[in-house]
Amino acid sequence: DQQVKQNSPSLSVQEGRISILNCDYTNSMFDYFLWYKKYPAEGPTFLISISSIKDKNEDGRFTVFLNKSAKHLSLHIVPSQPGDSAVYFCAANNAGNNRKLIWGLGTSLAVNP
Amino acid sequence: NAGVMQNPRHLVRRRGQEARLRCSPMKGHSHVYWYRQLPEEGLKFMVYLQKENIIDESGMPKERFSAEFPKEGPSILRIQQVVRGDSAAYFCASSPRINLGSYEQYFGPGTRLTVT
Repeated sequence: DQQVKQNSPSLSVQEGRISILNCDYTNSMFDYFLWYKKYPAEGPTFLISISSIKDKNEDGRFTVFLNKSAKHLSLHIVPSQPGDSAVYFCAANNAGNNRKLIWGLGTSLAVNP
Repeated sequence: NAGVMQNPRHLVRRRGQEARLRCSPMKGHSHVYWYRQLPEEGLKFMVYLQKENIIDESGMPKERFSAEFPKEGPSILRIQQVVRGDSAAYFCASSPRINLGSYEQYFGPGTRLTVT
């Protein structure tokens, strides 16, 4: 049972344009969401997070939007750069569940020069 | 480098041998998590530990797998009598003790286990 779903396995975007990565979840108990970036042969790197009490969080080129009623969040990268090419994972946490993160399967982003 | 350290980075074991994976958390972090990533899959939670205490091991296979985080030294994930299906990347993450309303976990580079 995949509680966190990233339905697009891959995404290709031109340099300078916006990248939008989507994530859906099924568990209404999730109250904290995180995005990680992962390069091959490296561990995931934390990017940005959002609490369920907010609907938007911004950090430089990265913005995460949360729509609780739709159980949907998205990561926007503007402008996209070739160095952003990586696999992006969405993860969710239920604060009452010992902090373990539940992960999506990832979306591979390719930013073309 | 004050990041999460994992060693070895690559480990090759024959079927039936034991694998020991080590993780040193970031300085000041007392919470450690182990995750496994099988080929073509996302990360799967295995176990959550604090010093000398297993908090949540709901993701650990019932047999052959164990984890510890002693008072001194790194956290160890131990896999006894490895089988080919254990081949995967194993990631360790850590987080600080004080919960400031955020739940970020910081990951090490992973150990890639290959069972031949």
